[in-house]
Amino acid sequence: ETGVTQSPTHLIKTRGQQVTLRCSSQSGHNTVSWYQQALGQGPQFIFQYYREEENGRGNFPPRFSGLQFPNYSSELNVNALELDDSALYLCASSFGTSGGYGETQYFGPGTRLLVL
Amino acid sequence: AQTVTQSQPEMSVQEAETVTLSCTYDTSESNYYLFWYKQPPSRQMILVIRQEAYKQQNATENRFSVNFQKAAKSFSLKISDSQLGDTAMYFCASLSSGGGADGLTFGKGTHLIIQP
Repeated sequence: ETGVTQSPTHLIKTRGQQVTLRCSSQSGHNTVSWYQQALGQGPQFIFQYYREEENGRGNFPPRFSGLQFPNYSSELNVNALELDDSALYLCASSFGTSGGYGETQYFGPGTRLLVL
Repeated sequence: AQTVTQSQPEMSVQEAETVTLSCTYDTSESNYYLFWYKQPPSRQMILVIRQEAYKQQNATENRFSVNFQKAAKSFSLKISDSQLGDTAMYFCASLSSGGGADGLTFGKGTHLIIQP
């Protein structure tokens, strides 16, 4: 069984640029959630994708957007990067029958983004 | 909205001792799930234990067990016979099972250090 993978592991961008982070879900999972973890904090929910549709979103601005592909892998896109976007971005996958309600989420190793 | 509070920023115990990490939560949901995740320095969030709120029986996983007090909205984690590999950040999290995918709500974490 293949676990959740994320790429790249580290990334350095400058303010105003755009970034794309990638996530491959665990085999058999159809739901992907993205989280932002600032240094010294717990992760915060960005959004969730179920069967290629966004079906839930946290308190993040529209410049945070995503995609889910037919193979259930996912991308997180962040436009107009700000210094405060520097964080660890975590992807988690789960198996949902109706859109992510209560299923255990399994996490990838994360992408560390630094915005200068 | 759900909130999760972990009041112990850091704890340190000797190897083989038993340690209890505290967590309180607040939710308006009638049904929900509670989790403990471990995040070692490698950054990957690892599931430790899961509790379904409608189940009265406390969940256990080998050396890890929880004390779930639903009326008090308390969900503490007990680690027995602690090992050096248990050194990590531990996050308590809640997940609604109602309509709408809100994602996991995390506490700020407890840094657990196991001393040799």
